[in-house]
Amino acid sequence: NAGVTQTPKFQVLKTGQSMTLQCAQDMNHEYMSWYRQDPGMGLRLIHYSVGAGITDQGEVPNGYNVSRSTTEDFPLRLLSAAPSQTSVYFCASRPGLAGVYTQYFGPGTRLTVL
Amino acid sequence: GQQLNQSPQSMFIQEGEDVSMNCTSSSIFNTWLWYKQEPGEGPVLLIALYKAGELTSNGRLTAQFGITRKDSFLNISASIPSDVGIYFCAGQTTNAGNNRKLIWGLGTSLAVNP
Repeated sequence: NAGVTQTPKFQVLKTGQSMTLQCAQDMNHEYMSWYRQDPGMGLRLIHYSVGAGITDQGEVPNGYNVSRSTTEDFPLRLLSAAPSQTSVYFCASRPGLAGVYTQYFGPGTRLTVL
Repeated sequence: GQQLNQSPQSMFIQEGEDVSMNCTSSSIFNTWLWYKQEPGEGPVLLIALYKAGELTSNGRLTAQFGITRKDSFLNISASIPSDVGIYFCAGQTTNAGNNRKLIWGLGTSLAVNP
């Protein structure tokens, strides 16, 4: 199993550009999430999905869209990039088993918005 | 929102020393997770705790779920240079679970001097 994969690993955008961060998992996990990590802020949840076709907002959803058309894929879209979105983005997944909350993280996408 | 207090914020120790870090919360949790993040990588799960009082080991790492269900600690014995990284705790509240309810600490940065 490859686990959780993310592409690209690095990205530089100009303010106002849009892009999609890709995330895929091959563990048949029902739950998938997107986090951003900023210095001194820890991990903050952006959006999450409890299964194909179901998404919901996390702690910091503004400026981001997600969709979940398949169990495997959970892309994160930046609609109009802003410098405040400069961060490291992590995708995570976990099984949809009751009482099991252990998440598996991808390697991250390092995004800089100029 | 809910927060976890993770301490210490950073540690600089000599190789061979034991390390202890902890997380406390004002809320009761039903799950505690400990993750390690190395530079340029995503967090990797070290230990998961599901019962109050539970003491679990993973090699030189030992973690405990506090009896009050509001705290947890992680110990690393006989530290080695590859223990360097940021250690995060995360807790799941007693509310019905979804990703929104996984609360993260801000991390303990560990440096080991060979």
